[in-house]
Amino acid sequence: GNSVTQMEGPVTLSEEAFLTINCTYTATGYPSLFWYVQYPGEGLQLLLKATKADDKGSNKGFEATYRKETTSFHLEKGSVQVSDSAVYFCALSMDSNYQLIWGAGTKLIIKP
Amino acid sequence: NAGVMQNPRHLVRRRGQEARLRCSPMKGHSHVYWYRQLPEEGLKFMVYLQKENIIDESGMPKERFSAEFPKEGPSILRIQQVVRGDSAAYFCASSPQGRNTEAFFGQGTRLTVV
Repeated sequence: GNSVTQMEGPVTLSEEAFLTINCTYTATGYPSLFWYVQYPGEGLQLLLKATKADDKGSNKGFEATYRKETTSFHLEKGSVQVSDSAVYFCALSMDSNYQLIWGAGTKLIIKP
Repeated sequence: NAGVMQNPRHLVRRRGQEARLRCSPMKGHSHVYWYRQLPEEGLKFMVYLQKENIIDESGMPKERFSAEFPKEGPSILRIQQVVRGDSAAYFCASSPQGRNTEAFFGQGTRLTVV
């Protein structure tokens, strides 16, 4: 079946460090891929998405590239801030199905 | 345009009681999805509804759980005779079309069963 695997957290970094959160997927077909962010005490917000191979999603300094050959959608940011501390979820959706399939989430802690 | 509104934000129930979780979708959205997030896990799809119709309830437990989205009013997720294992965060999302690519999420209801 379809699934999403994320690197385990928590990930702890210092402010201005480079961030990578790994996400790989298994899917029969060509999914759309998403990163959602959940700030403390809040709901989920769509951070970025990509709908086909080689697409790059970007928002708020975050980027992720849809890599079909490695079935990956790693999240990156060049210089993190304390305000980026949150839980990040990778997810996929098949065009033929409206359900989002989620990774377990990666907690990111940024220290000043 | 208000976002997806869920209430209550926190709900405490004793074992055996009923829990009712409400979700008001964004204006103009007629598709609603419910997800459950167990501690330390990702979200799991529960049910997909359109106005007055259940489209897919393949993620719903077979017993004690039900959902509705009436013509008027919010969508309701109902859990009867709650057990400790029902403790989780329940998220609602809505979209204008039946595709999750445009889903907007509420802040969730955190259910604690004591």
